[in-house]
Amino acid sequence: EAGVAQSPRYKIIEKRQSVAFWCNPISGHATLYWYQQILGQGPKLLIQFQNNGVVDDSQLPKDRFSAERLKGVDSTLKIQPAKLEDSAVYLCASSLDWQRAQYFGPGTRLTVT
Amino acid sequence: AQSVAQPEDQVNVAEGNPLTVKCTYSVSGNPYLFWYVQYPNRGLQFLLKYITGDNLVKGSYGFEAEFNKSQTSFHLKKPSALVSDSALYFCAVRRWTDKLIFGTGTRLQVFP
Repeated sequence: EAGVAQSPRYKIIEKRQSVAFWCNPISGHATLYWYQQILGQGPKLLIQFQNNGVVDDSQLPKDRFSAERLKGVDSTLKIQPAKLEDSAVYLCASSLDWQRAQYFGPGTRLTVT
Repeated sequence: AQSVAQPEDQVNVAEGNPLTVKCTYSVSGNPYLFWYVQYPNRGLQFLLKYITGDNLVKGSYGFEAEFNKSQTSFHLKKPSALVSDSALYFCAVRRWTDKLIFGTGTRLQVFP
């Protein structure tokens, strides 16, 4: 069974630029999550999708972050404009449903200079 | 509000010895508890979970965890550590439909 795929693996941008991350979940997984993991901290949920609907985006900085999950499969997370404090690893995870364990992708390491 | 604490930043253990990585939680109602492991430059891997039932939960790679409701703890254990177990371990908790809350992680170092 293929795991959660993410791209790119690494990205370096200057502040005020924009960036987008892509995630392809495990086939059949209805629930998709985006997490932000700052160095030395545990992952923090940014947004949770159930199929293509948003379940929880309470911790998403909506003035600069946006996410979508078209057709209930792939998802993209965008940051525009980026700030220095956005430097982190962005993890995508998926699960069969919200009750099951989450399976994580390798993450995208973002550096904002 | 839900929270989880991992009181040790790092745990050092000799190969072959038993290991314990500690986790305590705070949540109103029944907790759903998880352990994940993170290897360098890789995403988190699911180890085990407690939802209900037997307090001793067995997971991947020989790990197990014991749910203790009175002490609000969910410590991760393994009878005999391997050098390859060296990694960053995260405890996480959620309540029913709430979001998963992760601890700050504990780095396990197993010495040969």
